[in-house]
Amino acid sequence: DQQVKQNSPSLSVQEGRISILNCDYTNSMFDYFLWYKKYPAEGPTFLISISSIKDKNEDGRFTVFLNKSAKHLSLHIVPSQPGDSAVYFCAATSGGSNYKLTFGKGTLLTVNP
Amino acid sequence: DTGVSQNPRHKITKRGQNVTFRCDPISEHNRLYWYRQTLGQGPEFLTYFQNEAQLEKSRLLSDRFSAERPKGSFSTLEIQRTEQGDSAMYLCASSVYGSGFLGETQYFGPGTRLLVL
Repeated sequence: DQQVKQNSPSLSVQEGRISILNCDYTNSMFDYFLWYKKYPAEGPTFLISISSIKDKNEDGRFTVFLNKSAKHLSLHIVPSQPGDSAVYFCAATSGGSNYKLTFGKGTLLTVNP
Repeated sequence: DTGVSQNPRHKITKRGQNVTFRCDPISEHNRLYWYRQTLGQGPEFLTYFQNEAQLEKSRLLSDRFSAERPKGSFSTLEIQRTEQGDSAMYLCASSVYGSGFLGETQYFGPGTRLLVL
């Protein structure tokens, strides 16, 4: 069973607009969530994380929102830039699982100039 | 650059051959993880070390796979008698155990892409 789901395989936005990437999870034991960006033939690059005790975390153009009751998180990128075009992975973990990451399948973001 | 490094970046081998990959984590990171990523999927956990101790292995890690971290620094992942189904990107990540009660962040290397012919 897939414990972390990214239901949109792809998303296309215009440069300067907001990109919203969504992620749902099913395991209520998850208490730490991360977003990674991945370019082809490279490893995932850490973007931003959020603990379950928070509902929002910001870092520059990136903001992650967590809705625990809905088991849903989202990544907002404002403003979107062409260099943001990549595959974005949502990952979840918990101390009880020794912090091994469970990933979604990823969403391909394309930012058009 | 003090990030996670992996070697080789690419490996092509014939079915039945053995291959070994190396991962050098970020200095002073005491946890090291191995993941595998196949096309269209997110990375999947294989195994992890805390210092030199291998503490958990996924059921994905068949007995043809072995991983070591002999001195608690670099790690190797060996696949014996490779099969075509082993073709994937093998990713290594490292973190600091106890870096924060809110959670640990893993930093990934560039990966080793394996193709088994």
